[in-house]
Amino acid sequence: QKEVEQNSGPLSVPEGAIASLNCTYSDRGSQSFFWYRQYSGKSPELIMFIYSNGDKEDGRFTAQLNKASQYVSLLIRDSQPSDSATYLCAVNRNGGFKTIFGAGTRLFVKA
Amino acid sequence: DAMVIQNPRYQVTQFGKPVTLSCSQTLNHNVMYWYQQKSSQAPKLLFHYYDKDFNNEADTPDNFQSRRPNTSFCFLDIRSPGLGDAAMYLCATSLIQGRTDTQYFGPGTRLTVL
Repeated sequence: QKEVEQNSGPLSVPEGAIASLNCTYSDRGSQSFFWYRQYSGKSPELIMFIYSNGDKEDGRFTAQLNKASQYVSLLIRDSQPSDSATYLCAVNRNGGFKTIFGAGTRLFVKA
Repeated sequence: DAMVIQNPRYQVTQFGKPVTLSCSQTLNHNVMYWYQQKSSQAPKLLFHYYDKDFNNEADTPDNFQSRRPNTSFCFLDIRSPGLGDAAMYLCATSLIQGRTDTQYFGPGTRLTVL
């Protein structure tokens, strides 16, 4: 079992729709959770982080965390073609040095 | 603007010819990381520096070395690149404080091995 698992996609949504990206992790001791966006050929760019169970909103993005289910998700409202990218989920145990990344979900937003 | 800079952005080397990639940061972060990322794969941590303390991942090949001469700079040396070392190399930094480890990435160096 991979430490951080994501569906590789591609996930295809029409412009203006809500894109829902999911991630599961295996280490119950994980405390910090991150979502990065990575355009093709570029480096990962931090979108947001979440530490507590529940929802955290930032603009069109909402991160959701459920530690009991070891599940974290990212919702993108009013999806735009410019949101087309790979979204990486990353998990850190407790402020330590090792953050584990998933392989990412490719999102395609159709105009 | 505070940032993480990597040079060069593209590097072509020959099989077995040593290569050095550089990373610099103006964020004054105390941790610097090197990752290797191949197509459609997760970034793979090679090693990190916490201040001057070097920490190597157990599965990082000996072919990969790193230097951090000061807080701002970190180098990745690949002593004898093989075809399998062709990848994007990502430098990241973070400021360890409390429970957070939010990492910020540089633009990456795309390494091609001929």
